[in-house]
Amino acid sequence: NAGVTQTPKFQVLKTGQSMTLQCAQDMNHEYMSWYRQDPGMGLRLIHYSVGAGITDQGEVPNGYNVSRSTTEDFPLRLLSAAPSQTSVYFCASSVRVGGQETQYFGPGTRLLVL
Amino acid sequence: GENVEQHPSTLSVQEGDSAVIKCTYSDSASNYFPWYKQELGKRPQLIIDIRSNVGEKKDQRIAVTLNKTAKHFSLHITETQPEDSAVYFCAARNSGTYKYIFGTGTRLKVLA
Repeated sequence: NAGVTQTPKFQVLKTGQSMTLQCAQDMNHEYMSWYRQDPGMGLRLIHYSVGAGITDQGEVPNGYNVSRSTTEDFPLRLLSAAPSQTSVYFCASSVRVGGQETQYFGPGTRLLVL
Repeated sequence: GENVEQHPSTLSVQEGDSAVIKCTYSDSASNYFPWYKQELGKRPQLIIDIRSNVGEKKDQRIAVTLNKTAKHFSLHITETQPEDSAVYFCAARNSGTYKYIFGTGTRLKVLA
């Protein structure tokens, strides 16, 4: 299993540009999430999904869209990039089995908006 | 809204000493409390977790305690080693949704 994969690893955008951060997992996990990590602020939840076709907002959803058409993929779209969206973005997936739960993170995407 | 407070933000200990990191959560519906370790430039990785029906859990040198009444949970690392140096995050998960709320992290430095 590849686990949770994210592309690209690094991206530079100009203000106003749009782009999609890709996230995929091959563990058949129901739950997937997107977080952003900024210095001194920990991980903040952007959007999450509890299954294909179901998404919901997290703490900081403004400026981002998501969709979950398959169990495997959970792309994050930046509609019109702003410098405030400069951050490291982590995708994560998890599953609960027999009362045990483990959230696996992808390697991250470092985004710089100029 | 829901939040998780984490203290201290930085912690330096001598090798072999113990380290304690504390978190407080606000959402009464939280029932799952994981701890993650993140090394520089790497992704967060789960190191230990605890559910709301358990008061303490131990795994070798690390342990987590939970006080549901006070909405506190803590990470304890004994016999610290240089490789324990990293940023540690606590989190709380709401039982009715899939929302994880993270603390702001503790940078642990173990001095040799």
